[in-house]
Amino acid sequence: DTGVSQDPRHKITKRGQNVTFRCDPISEHNRLYWYRQTLGQGPEFLTYFQNEAQLEKSRLLSDRFSAERPKGSFSTLEIQRTEQGDSAMYLCASSLAGRGETQYFGPGTRLLVL
Amino acid sequence: SQKIEQNSEALNIQEGKTATLTCNYTNYSPAYLQWYRQDPGRGPVFLLLIRENEKEKRKERLKVTFDTTLKQSLFHITASQPADSATYLCALKFYNNNDMRFGAGTRLTVKP
Repeated sequence: DTGVSQDPRHKITKRGQNVTFRCDPISEHNRLYWYRQTLGQGPEFLTYFQNEAQLEKSRLLSDRFSAERPKGSFSTLEIQRTEQGDSAMYLCASSLAGRGETQYFGPGTRLLVL
Repeated sequence: SQKIEQNSEALNIQEGKTATLTCNYTNYSPAYLQWYRQDPGRGPVFLLLIRENEKEKRKERLKVTFDTTLKQSLFHITASQPADSATYLCALKFYNNNDMRFGAGTRLTVKP
């Protein structure tokens, strides 16, 4: 399967714990995006990489969130000191830079903070 | 601030009819607009892209229109089937942003 993959698919954690999610994009894609989606809403942009550089980060993103893409391939999203409000689906998407780019989404990681 | 609104949370139609979904936006026109399909528990899947200088795009039973004067895109599914039941999201790419901005989606149910 050459699509975008995410791991884990589901995560249940207690409030205050740290969690880390992984995204493996389509291999030739140089752009990688993280989104958060809550029930009944569309995906909300969190951050974006071109190759290994993090070029944009949403102003809505708390300092507890950090993302990396160390070698320009896979990416990790870490949430420190989780809160119940962090419960959501975390989606990763990748694309090839260019005009009219299509983003290909992974299946998402569903996080539940108890 | 920029707003993106999809016409309704839910749309129910009979099999064989045409489903029409609406995406409205405020302020600036996007460089392009995309429609995605999302099934429960899955990530969105790209369907169609239409640029600001295009009026209409078609792909099989799907048609998208884009009216920058009305600041509106319409998404049509003709000869709808129960398998078309899903949430449909519009997403806009603006010139001053690197990311896509999504609407909340419309949940379409096609009844046999």
